[in-house]
Amino acid sequence: SQTIHQWPATLVQPVGSPLSLECTVEGTSNPNLYWYRQAAGRGLQLLFYSVGIGQISSEVPQNLSASRPQDRQFILSSKKLLLSDSGFYLCAWSVQGAMGEKLFFGSGTQLSVL
Amino acid sequence: GESVGLHLPTLSVQEGDNSIINCAYSNSASDYFIWYKQESGKGPQFIIDIRSNMDKRQGQRVTVLLNKTVKHLSLQIAATQPGDSAVYFCAENYMNTGFQKLVFGTGTRLLVSP
Repeated sequence: SQTIHQWPATLVQPVGSPLSLECTVEGTSNPNLYWYRQAAGRGLQLLFYSVGIGQISSEVPQNLSASRPQDRQFILSSKKLLLSDSGFYLCAWSVQGAMGEKLFFGSGTQLSVL
Repeated sequence: GESVGLHLPTLSVQEGDNSIINCAYSNSASDYFIWYKQESGKGPQFIIDIRSNMDKRQGQRVTVLLNKTVKHLSLQIAATQPGDSAVYFCAENYMNTGFQKLVFGTGTRLLVSP
């Protein structure tokens, strides 16, 4: 079966420090991968998606970047964190079901920038 | 731009009652809809989905209704239990620049009292 791993679960970083969040998927090949951000009490905002190794699309201009060095690895990075980067970050992968493309999410990383 | 929204940000029910969570969508090109449940500090979990050529779909204790005329989606939970307490998101899927894009609503918090 497919599983998605995301770490760390929580992270507290000072403003101006770098960031690296990692996500890996097991049990599937060539998945579509996604990074979402969720502000407290809000919905999910799509940040990046990737349809293959080295293929990254950005949905919104921001202080973050994403990379996909391997088929089942997706990394979210920043060179210098801002206060506004705080939030709950979710990695997801998608599978084409009988009716449509479903997303399956990781457990999330709660990032606090202080 | 196009968006998915919810009528009720918080819904409080008694254990055993039936719950109805509503969602309005604005993109007439959306052809696939998904409901997710998110418990505190966790990633969203898939509940049920429906295609635009369907009006109703049933799962275990859950039913999704789709009214394309008024662009309205609802999730019905039968015999609501305390474990159903969570935030529920609807999401609509449409093709955007060659990529299937899933757009999430703001979410509705369901509170179930024993």
